[in-house]
Amino acid sequence: GESVGLHLPTLSVQEGDNSIINCAYSNSASDYFIWYKQESGKGPQFIIDIRSNMDKRQGQRVTVLLNKTVKHLSLQIAATQPGDSAVYFCAEMDSSYKLIFGSGTRLLVRP
Amino acid sequence: DVKVTQSSRYLVKRTGEKVFLECVQDMDHENMFWYRQDPGLGLRLIYFSYDVKMKEKGDIPEGYSVSREKKERFSLILESASTNQTSMYLCASRRGGNNSPLHFGNGTRLTVT
Repeated sequence: GESVGLHLPTLSVQEGDNSIINCAYSNSASDYFIWYKQESGKGPQFIIDIRSNMDKRQGQRVTVLLNKTVKHLSLQIAATQPGDSAVYFCAEMDSSYKLIFGSGTRLLVRP
Repeated sequence: DVKVTQSSRYLVKRTGEKVFLECVQDMDHENMFWYRQDPGLGLRLIYFSYDVKMKEKGDIPEGYSVSREKKERFSLILESASTNQTSMYLCASRRGGNNSPLHFGNGTRLTVT
């Protein structure tokens, strides 16, 4: 497969455990945030989003938490599966409606 | 589901050639984007379009141009390909207005020799 990034931080978890992927964002005026998953050889896939008037949002097996005080975003994946292995990006939307992407975290799921 | 289709998964071109990368989306989205993705540099915005016939420069437009003659199609043009344009190119679309996510295609891996 193709590597989407060199020297990415890597999180290794046991299959069935919960995963927490963290992201620090840069602009305190950003009001919309998104998590993407990118598997080898594919484009980024939308997972979940959250607006700045919320602290938490849940999807299927995923939860996004937003802490505006410290400009921190996290993605929690419950009962991590081998198919969750990928690179995960956070993105923030600035006032010009352009997305600013983080550098990504590689999630490895051990069987 | 939104489908963003990029016409080629892999392309190999020679230095100096004119290259066209095509992207089509099927959700009537107003906004369309072209990014390139390189190891260690992440996703960088080349050009975007808010609607038909409109185009805006992104962060790295040099050496590229775009065309949006129809709402569903957004083309990226490399006027004279160079080796430093070897990259993964990603097209994306989203509905207009704020607070909506981008939906990406699966990318075109371009190699310029």
